[in-house]
Amino acid sequence: VQLVESGGGVVQPGRSMRLACVASGFTFGSYGMHWVRQAPGKGLEWVAYIWFDGSNIKYLESVRGRFTISRDNAKKTLYLQMNSLRAEDTAVYYCAREFEEFYFDYWGQGTLVTVSS
Amino acid sequence: EIVLTQSPATLSLSPGERATLSCRASQSISDYLAWYQQKPGQAPRLLIYDASTRATGIPARFSGSGSETDFTLTISSLEPEDFALYYCQQRFNRAPHSFGQGARLEIK
Repeated sequence: VQLVESGGGVVQPGRSMRLACVASGFTFGSYGMHWVRQAPGKGLEWVAYIWFDGSNIKYLESVRGRFTISRDNAKKTLYLQMNSLRAEDTAVYYCAREFEEFYFDYWGQGTLVTVSS
Repeated sequence: EIVLTQSPATLSLSPGERATLSCRASQSISDYLAWYQQKPGQAPRLLIYDASTRATGIPARFSGSGSETDFTLTISSLEPEDFALYYCQQRFNRAPHSFGQGARLEIK
């Protein structure tokens, strides 16, 4: 099992960024997937979730309406579209595979998003 | 929203000693609790789920216990590689799937 995130970098407040997470080593289309973030020196914070077929999606309240999680099972890729970014969105963003309903058994290495002018 | 509070924030022990980390939930979460280990620069690793079930490949020195609001992660005899950050996480409510603030296990 491998999850590889990409798309992070430095972005100005109010701008947009899209993260991607490419999966391999398992049947991607059979698993729910999550995004979890970690601000520098801080703890873990769950951000968003998408069912295996994309039919159910949940968000952290502070990102709802600004972030959109999606997936392309044919490409084995998970996405996080982040709009209207704020300084407080600065974090390492991990994608994680769901295990036993809302635990996380495999994680990517993370991609750093820095929101700064 | 369910709040998880971990204690102590930092635990200083020596290799070979027994470590006990606690996680308290603001309301009952049955046994829907997991523990993760995170080392610097690495992603978290699932250790324990459903309060007491070890994840695949996790050594037997790691054990979890508790239910409702009070949970414990025990490391029976610390190995050098066990010094890290530990997080608890609940899945009782579907969202948000909150984490504790973390506890640092450091070498004394």
